[in-house]
Amino acid sequence: GAVVSQHPSRVICKSGTSVKIECRSLDFQATTMFWYRQFPKQSLMLMATSNEGSKATYEQGVEKDKFLINHASLTLSTLTVTSAHPEDSSFYICSARDSKLIFPYEQYFGPGTRLTVT
Amino acid sequence: DAKTTQPTSMDCAEGRAANLPCNHSTISGNEYVYWYRQIHSQGPQYIIHGLKNNETNEMASLIITEDRKSSTLILPHATLRDTAVYYCIVRSALFGNEKLTFGTGTRLTIIP
Repeated sequence: GAVVSQHPSRVICKSGTSVKIECRSLDFQATTMFWYRQFPKQSLMLMATSNEGSKATYEQGVEKDKFLINHASLTLSTLTVTSAHPEDSSFYICSARDSKLIFPYEQYFGPGTRLTVT
Repeated sequence: DAKTTQPTSMDCAEGRAANLPCNHSTISGNEYVYWYRQIHSQGPQYIIHGLKNNETNEMASLIITEDRKSSTLILPHATLRDTAVYYCIVRSALFGNEKLTFGTGTRLTIIP
């Protein structure tokens, strides 16, 4: 099946610094990728939709200047958490869909990145 | 997208069939039912999806009622590795509406 990877799997950073998380589709091209955030014992919340070659679409309440998304190629999207604070500590998960497939199709999820801000 | 209602938690004995219900009474004609699961501290895994016919794959079966207002995911022979949170999601086929909206899901525990 299709594989989505994320890097790093875990990261600890100090308050005020920025952290970049990568999401890669390994064996398919993805014009659209999605970024989710999951707090402990809660469900996944969609943060933004990342579109290759254009600006990301953010969900209501998600600060676009704080969570910078870049989808520069058909296999890579990055999420940068700028000026991170302890409340940004969470499990960040990306997903992607194969550009060749038409609806209905499944989205493939990455393994997640656990961010801890100290 | 239509909302879904699932039991918060369920237990199932290892080797038995696990039947996970989902209510989606406001589903519309162009909306599909998707099932994903999330094992602890991992990304969600796609299981199966359907529109109105029952579906089966190597992981599970999906039974959708004739009025499409509810469905049941069946894991035929549950193993300990099936312990996870199972999400039932209703998703529109309209172009551009690709988002998956996750509810609270059902926490399934397989008992040895």
